[in-house]
This record gives sequence, C-alpha cells and structure tokens, in this order.
Amino acid sequence: QVQLQQWGAGLLKPSETLSLTCAVSGASLSDDYWSWIRQPPGKGLEWLGETILGGTTTYNPSLMGRVIMSLDTSKNHFSLELMSVTAADTAVYYCAREVDHFDSWGRGTLVTVSS
Amino acid sequence: DIVMTQSPDSLAVSLGERATINCKSSQSVLHSSNNKNYLAWYQQKPRQPPKVLIYWASTRESGVPDRFSGGGSGTDFTLTISSLQAEDAAVYYCQQYYSAPRTFGQGTKVEIK
Repeated sequence: QVQLQQWGAGLLKPSETLSLTCAVSGASLSDDYWSWIRQPPGKGLEWLGETILGGTTTYNPSLMGRVIMSLDTSKNHFSLELMSVTAADTAVYYCAREVDHFDSWGRGTLVTVSS
Repeated sequence: DIVMTQSPDSLAVSLGERATINCKSSQSVLHSSNNKNYLAWYQQKPRQPPKVLIYWASTRESGVPDRFSGGGSGTDFTLTISSLQAEDAAVYYCQQYYSAPRTFGQGTKVEIK
C-alpha cells in the first residue's frame, strides 16, 4: 500500500518561498509520476505539476514560472518550491502519485500566506 | 487547457435514491490510439484528501462499492450513485488526464435529503 507523508512550513509572509516535501513508502519514486495539487479554502482542486525520474517535469502555466519540483531518490521523497508567494497561494497543498489518475494522496498541508 | 464543467453544483438526495452527476469537457478526452477516455472521478469528504472512485471513465477503483458507476465518452460523462448511503455525503470531482495541465471540475456537493 502506497503511503505519502508530507510536511513543510504552514505560515509564510508575502514574497517568501513555499517549501514542501512528500515522503513515499510502499512505492519507488523511479516508477511513476509524482504530482502536487492544491485547494484554496472552500474551493476546488488545482494541479500544480508533475515530475518523473529521468523525464520531463511539467508545470501548470498558471504558476508563471514560480515553481520547482524535484525528486530525491536516496530518500524516496519529492519536493515542491513555490517562490514569491502571495495571499492567493493560501491553500491546502497535496502531494499525489499519478498513475494516469491520482491514486494515492498525502493528507495535505495548509499553507497560509499572511503579512 | 481543457475546461471541466460539472452539473449540478449541488444536489440533495434521499437515502436509497439515485444520484447522478454530470461532467462535460471542453474537448474530447477520448484517445484514439487506445479508445480510452482519460477521465476520473474523486470523492472528497471534509478535512480529507480526494479519493479516486472511477478511472478510464468507467473502471471502478479497487474497494469502491459497486453502487458507484461511471459512464459516458468523448466530452460527456456521468457519475451515478445507484442507492445513496449516508456515508456518500461528500463533494465529487471529475478530472481529465488527457493532457497537461490536468484539470478538475468545480465539484458537486451531494447532501442527504
């Protein structure tokens, strides 16, 4: 059974960098796509991007080049960095495994951007 | 981007009755190479991540009760709950994985009448 455990800072000031990490157990990072998805409070789901070992990382153009996703196979975890955050980036951030659809999800991390 | 539009935004259904949610994509998500619809359905309960119910438009995820079924092809899809149970109260999302960026519908809230 695949499990994703995520963590990262929950409170940021505008212009800071959001940084989250997702540890994978029960699967190898080498085998699949790994994604980040966010959900503003009371709103719907937005896919941020996906990454795969040795392949192309694809980002949602809506993020305007502020995002970097990476993999660390030695620790079997993957990470998200989102730069220059604003209040509009306040959301619950989820990591997920993408096997075409998203079949395994982290529990989510609420990130609040406030001065 | 492929825009996913769900209807209705919310519905209230009595226990044991049928609930039907519609999802329309702005372009076809049927891939001609394998004749598969790149469409999934998720259920989300408060303070939980979404959980996949259906993928390839009609394939039920392992462990999902058979009262959940998916149908449709091309641009028009449905999620049906044949006999609503109390634990089915949730928000349901459709999602296309035909192309990037992956996109979700706005969600449909199912309540018990």
